Amino acid sequence: DGGITQSPKYLFRKEGQNVTLSCEQNLNHDAMYWYRQDPGQGLRLIYYSQIVNDFQKGDIAEGYSVSREKKESFPLTVTSAQKNPTAFYLCASSMTGQGNTEAFFGQGTRLTVV
Amino acid sequence: AQSVTQLGSHVSVSEGALVLLRCNYSSSVPPYLFWYVQYPNQGLQLLLKYTTGATLVKGINGFEAEFKKSETSFHLTKPSAHMSDAAEYFCAVSEGYGGSQGNLIFGKGTKLSVKP
Repeated sequence: DGGITQSPKYLFRKEGQNVTLSCEQNLNHDAMYWYRQDPGQGLRLIYYSQIVNDFQKGDIAEGYSVSREKKESFPLTVTSAQKNPTAFYLCASSMTGQGNTEAFFGQGTRLTVV
Repeated sequence: AQSVTQLGSHVSVSEGALVLLRCNYSSSVPPYLFWYVQYPNQGLQLLLKYTTGATLVKGINGFEAEFKKSETSFHLTKPSAHMSDAAEYFCAVSEGYGGSQGNLIFGKGTKLSVKP
């Protein structure tokens, strides 16, 4: 089945550690996105990529990094510079072009700092 | 710049009653508009979308929404609520035709409760 797979579903991080969240899609989508969700805040865009080897910062990129070496994969690293990383992280993908902006979402990764 | 405002962070209805979730948007270009639903600890699922054409859009699970350009609104409705509709709903906007990117801008969400 085509879709987006995020792993792990739950992740615990000690303060000062970097952690990487995985996102893989087999929908042949060009664009991929990372959102952060906090209660009552909706979804906020961290990074997005519209093509391999290229990505742009979203609204809250500080303390995060990404790579896009393959079309199918868009991993997100939460660095120690992110002061409040506990949140629910959602990865999405979409086609690009007119009328193709519907985004498909993974099941999310819940990150907790302990 | 685009933005989305969802009126009411929590809405409670009785089973069988009308569901109305409000969404207003701001966009400098013709928008594409979306409603997504999220169940606890899960990703988002698309309910319906408006791109061009008919302004009344029908989606899954009996939901529909009407694009009203003059009111910059895209309210979500369902004639009769079911217990399984209890979830959080997000309205989103992106740049439509001619826009440079397809990023979705989300509202803050409305949590729908359904009372028996």
